[in-house]
Amino acid sequence: AQRVTQPEKLLSVFKGAPVELKCNYSYSGSPELFWYVQYSRQRLQLLLRHISRESIKGFTADLNKGETSFHLKKPFAQEEDSAMYYCALSGLNNAGNMLTFGGGTRLMVKP
Amino acid sequence: ETGVTQSPTHLIKTRGQQVTLRCSSQSGHNTVSWYQQALGQGPQFIFQYYREEENGRGNFPPRFSGLQFPNYSSELNVNALELDDSALYLCASSNYLGGGDTQYFGPGTRLTVL
Repeated sequence: AQRVTQPEKLLSVFKGAPVELKCNYSYSGSPELFWYVQYSRQRLQLLLRHISRESIKGFTADLNKGETSFHLKKPFAQEEDSAMYYCALSGLNNAGNMLTFGGGTRLMVKP
Repeated sequence: ETGVTQSPTHLIKTRGQQVTLRCSSQSGHNTVSWYQQALGQGPQFIFQYYREEENGRGNFPPRFSGLQFPNYSSELNVNALELDDSALYLCASSNYLGGGDTQYFGPGTRLTVL
């Protein structure tokens, strides 16, 4: 069974401070991991995915298979980063392409 | 490029009624997935349709059913509505490549069951 855990429901930081949103997963096969973001009154949108290894809006995430983690990091938070962040897992080569989401972390960046 | 659209935006129904939600996929995409997002939780996978066939299903009862049409748009039908069905229903489209493809989400339909 696939499972994604985001241990923090709310993370509050000051502008310019480093940010780390935690994500742990459980999956027996080879996972593909994503971070989705939802800004206020907007739809859920892809922030980054593990396989592309891109840095989007200054965010990066490294897959650690030993610790089964995919934490999202940014060295200097901006107020516009305030949003709801969801970690999600898709099993490669599954029949279907089910995304399993964590419960989400609300990031608040204070001025 | 047209993104994923969903209709209606909001819907209020009473227990026992039936509801149909609609989704138009992003152009060039052949797969539609449906998710239920209860308040304060992450989205939960309901099912996926690929080339008009169900291609995976989550832990939802049979009263949740769907269709995909030749133009890849899709419907989600829920029969015998229960209070717990109140949620945001999200549709996502993708180009199915056997797994791991990026899904693009619509704005959702907010369903309230009274």
